Amino acid sequence: AQKVTQAQTEISVVEKEDVTLDCVYETRDTTYYLFWYKQPPSGELVFLIRRNSFDEQNEISGRYSWNFQKSTSSFNFTITASQVVDSAVYFCALSPVNNTDKLIFGTGTRLQVFP
Amino acid sequence: GAVVSQHPSRVICKSGTSVKIECRSLDFQATTMFWYRQFPKQSLMLMATSNEGSKATYEQGVEKDKFLINHASLTLSTLTVTSAHPEDSSFYICSAWTGGNQPQHFGDGTRLSIL
Repeated sequence: AQKVTQAQTEISVVEKEDVTLDCVYETRDTTYYLFWYKQPPSGELVFLIRRNSFDEQNEISGRYSWNFQKSTSSFNFTITASQVVDSAVYFCALSPVNNTDKLIFGTGTRLQVFP
Repeated sequence: GAVVSQHPSRVICKSGTSVKIECRSLDFQATTMFWYRQFPKQSLMLMATSNEGSKATYEQGVEKDKFLINHASLTLSTLTVTSAHPEDSSFYICSAWTGGNQPQHFGDGTRLSIL
């Protein structure tokens, strides 16, 4: 079975703090994609990153960074120097490489950044 | 690029009304469009997958006669909630996919409230 677990339901931080959002996944596939999406209060889903399971390199994009650890089936997302505009629900998702239309979402982590 | 427009963004109507939601890919052709439903503070649940020119594939537990999907072109899919009732109130969000190893791109969502 395929499953994505985001154990942190809600996180509150003060602006400029670093925050890490956890994502643990389960799959029997040897190849797969992992995703992070951001859902601000307005509701749209904003694509942040897609990582192929073959690529275990960590990625940094501005204040965002992702740590993919295949050994622990985790794909954690860190925001450094958080800002109020980062307040949103963040979803981690999984899809098989040979069936990339099947997105399995985690339950999401609501991040609130206070000024 | 990869903009998906969803209309309307919000609908409030009486019980028994049928409501049509449109999903358009503005700057690309989408082989497949997906319809998701999201209850408050919950994750996205896939309702159905629609391919242009063919019948939609519904997920288990989703009533096809209740949620009519039409995918008339490579840039437009519609979801009609027929004879809506208060329990149909939810956030509906579509995504469009060009196929291959491309990620899904999501619309802004439609918040449906049935009185």
